Amino acid sequence: NAGVTQTPKFQVLKTGQSMTLQCAQDMNHEYMSWYRQDPGMGLRLIHYSVGAGITDQGEVPNGYNVSRSTTEDFPLRLLSAAPSQTSVYFCASSLTSGRPTDTQYFGPGTRLTVL
Amino acid sequence: AQKVTQAQTEISVVEKEDVTLDCVYETRDTTYYLFWYKQPPSGELVFLIRRNSFDEQNEISGRYSWNFQKSTSSFNFTITASQVVDSAVYFCALSGHNNDMRFGAGTRLTVKP
Repeated sequence: NAGVTQTPKFQVLKTGQSMTLQCAQDMNHEYMSWYRQDPGMGLRLIHYSVGAGITDQGEVPNGYNVSRSTTEDFPLRLLSAAPSQTSVYFCASSLTSGRPTDTQYFGPGTRLTVL
Repeated sequence: AQKVTQAQTEISVVEKEDVTLDCVYETRDTTYYLFWYKQPPSGELVFLIRRNSFDEQNEISGRYSWNFQKSTSSFNFTITASQVVDSAVYFCALSGHNNDMRFGAGTRLTVKP
């Protein structure tokens, strides 16, 4: 198993550009999520999905869209990039989508810079 | 609202010292999970432990041990005989009723040889 994979590893955007961060997992996990990590702060939840076709907002959803058309993939779209979105983005997945969330396993991260 | 506080921003110790990382949490949920993750300089997040809110038994795994106390809403992490390879940022996290996992700000541990 590859686990949780993310592409790209690094990305530089100009303000106003759009892009999609890719996330995939091959563990048949129900739950997938996106976090951002800013210096001196912990991870903050952007969006999450409890299964294919179902998504919901986390703590900091503004400026981001997600979709979950398959169990394996959970892309994160930046609609119009802003410098405030400069961050490291982590995708995570867990086997179950119970409440509370089961143990999450993280991808390697995408370092995004918006100029 | 759920909240996790890691009051220690940075800790520096000399190799072989014991070190305890503090974690205090707030939640109104009766069922929740607590987690510790390690983020080494390479940047990935490594899962260390999960603890169910109904299980207050302390756990030991090699040089690592965890002390869960519901009475003080704390879930502290101790590394015994620290090593240089333990240098990392450690995050405590809480997951409650709404699929929302909240992380603390992290504690940066530096172990000097």
